[in-house]
Amino acid sequence: QSALTQPASVSGSPGQSITISCTGTSSDIGGYDSVAWYQQHPGKAPKVMIHDVSNRPSGVPDRFSGSKSGNTASLTISGLQAEDEADYYCSSYTSSITYVFGTGTEVTVL
Amino acid sequence: QVQLQESGPGLVRPSGTLSLTCAVSGGAISSDDWWSWVRQPPGKGLEWIGEISHSGGAHYSPSLMSRVTISVDKSSNQVSLRLTSVTAADTAVYYCAAHRAYSFPTWGHGTLVTVSS
Repeated sequence: QSALTQPASVSGSPGQSITISCTGTSSDIGGYDSVAWYQQHPGKAPKVMIHDVSNRPSGVPDRFSGSKSGNTASLTISGLQAEDEADYYCSSYTSSITYVFGTGTEVTVL
Repeated sequence: QVQLQESGPGLVRPSGTLSLTCAVSGGAISSDDWWSWVRQPPGKGLEWIGEISHSGGAHYSPSLMSRVTISVDKSSNQVSLRLTSVTAADTAVYYCAAHRAYSFPTWGHGTLVTVSS
């Protein structure tokens, strides 16, 4: 099973909105409402920011939102802040009863 | 909320076996949670290795299935990972993670394992 496809990098200025895409297949993203998004700062463990496509865990700012259309999921960060600079990964459950992560996106706040 | 702590040798010889444990505290393994191992090579992305339930049912990544075994020891509240025939490509930070649904809300800090002679 191949990793989900994400852009290598996305950048934006403070206050702006950015969107990160995550493309898979009908066997993973397209087949299940199981997409999650993780934020990872250098040297730290990943932190879940979105689960089940569009749900935010308690404590995650509402600047973070998720959506899905067909085989592609998206994470939008509105009102970009300096502390949002990190790597972001998507993940999905698959029809093989496994999980697959995305290739990862480096977010830079200009 | 449970806390997870990975431990094991930081250096493994090529062709050897990588063995790690994940100590679970703040909760019992005998619950509805599943326990996964995820790894991250230096400077690269996350890779899901496999998962196990409290009752021992396991699923593995197809790319690693022939070399990996995940087990659970409820008496010691630990989850273990065993990866055989390692090469330099298996050098990574290894994380254990707990999950109940389709995401991984709880992670350990990770442990770096280097495969080198």
